[in-house]
Amino acid sequence: GQQLNQSPQSMFIQEGEDVSMNCTSSSIFNTWLWYKQDPGEGPVLLIALYKAGELTSNGRLTAQFGITRKDSFLNISASIPSDVGIYFCAGRLYNQGGKLIFGQGTELSVKP
Amino acid sequence: DTGVSQDPRHKITKRGQNVTFRCDPISEHNRLYWYRQTLGQGPEFLTYFQNEAQLEKSRLLSDRFSAERPKGSFSTLEIQRTEQGDSAMYLCASSPKTPSGETQYFGPGTRLLVL
Repeated sequence: GQQLNQSPQSMFIQEGEDVSMNCTSSSIFNTWLWYKQDPGEGPVLLIALYKAGELTSNGRLTAQFGITRKDSFLNISASIPSDVGIYFCAGRLYNQGGKLIFGQGTELSVKP
Repeated sequence: DTGVSQDPRHKITKRGQNVTFRCDPISEHNRLYWYRQTLGQGPEFLTYFQNEAQLEKSRLLSDRFSAERPKGSFSTLEIQRTEQGDSAMYLCASSPKTPSGETQYFGPGTRLLVL
């Protein structure tokens, strides 16, 4: 079936450091979305990408839609303690309706 | 500006009982999705509606699961004869239909525990 490989699985960083995580697949996607989820809550949308090569920023977050349409990355610059949480990539497959396929998540811990 | 709401937020039930969850999407969003999330995993698609029409159902949605969106606004997800394996977070999302693309906004989820 369709799968998204998200890495790394977890990260432990110092406050102020930059963070990078990515998702790859063997399938072609026409939408990439990045979400953050806190314990016991639903995912909160961070960035949405709709075109191959698109680079979008939201404050300290930057995400890109890979040129091959099979991958995406998310960067967080100058991390702060409230960045702690689980980050998920999600993609909408080309010609496969509206459902999203999610990665396994990257758990981010930030040490003050 | 209200987001997606779900009720209840938590549900504890005994094996074999039926449960029903409700989702109220963002106003005027015509698409509504249900996902299930187990601990340590990303959400998995269950089903989605465009207005009142149920357009797709996952193989995860066994015969014990049924979802409705009778008037194209709120939706309900019912699980009959619950099993311990049904314990999970059930997430609802909604999206508008726009030419530029589709963005799904999630509710807070309903956490189900089947004893």
